[in-house]
Amino acid sequence: AQRVTQPEKLLSVFKGAPVELKCNYSYSGSPELFWYVQYSRQRLQLLLRHISRESIKGFTADLNKGETSFHLKKPFAQEEDSAMYYCALRTKGGSEKLVFGKGTKLTVNP
Amino acid sequence: GAGVSQSPRYKVAKRGQDVALRCDPISGHVSLFWYQQALGQGPEFLTYFQNEAQLDKSGLPSDRFFAERPEGSVSTLKIQRTQQEDSAVYLCASSLWQGEQYFGPGTRLTVT
Repeated sequence: AQRVTQPEKLLSVFKGAPVELKCNYSYSGSPELFWYVQYSRQRLQLLLRHISRESIKGFTADLNKGETSFHLKKPFAQEEDSAMYYCALRTKGGSEKLVFGKGTKLTVNP
Repeated sequence: GAGVSQSPRYKVAKRGQDVALRCDPISGHVSLFWYQQALGQGPEFLTYFQNEAQLDKSGLPSDRFFAERPEGSVSTLKIQRTQQEDSAVYLCASSLWQGEQYFGPGTRLTVT
């Protein structure tokens, strides 16, 4: 079975500091990994996906198959980055469903 | 254009009542998903349609949960004989085939 683990429920940093939100997954096949974000009073939205290898709002994430991780990083956090972040996995060639982690609430303090 | 919409946004039901939650996907999206999000948890998959075909219902927690998408567009999630543990936010998402999933605002169900 697939599983996504986000070990930190809460993460607090100061503006301008680097931030890393951890995500580990468990899946024996070849997964697709995603980061979703939910800002206050907004709906869940896609932040980035590993296959696109792009940087969105200064965030990047690299899929490390050896460590089964997909950590989200940003070198200089901004106050507007405060939100809930969910890591999610989708299996290739199977059901299109997403398997989510429990989420990390990021707070960027001024 | 309009995104995914869900109705009602809030629903309070007495234990034992039946409820129906509606999802209007983005026009042209063939895939439609239902997720359940309990307080403090991530969304958990319930079921998935491709057009009108329900291809995966492995996440439905019991036979009290039923979903349909008869014409391949609007979908309804029905919960019969609601229980307190059904209290959650129910999220709907739609996508092109294997594309990005776009989420609706959710329906918050409270069972008293």
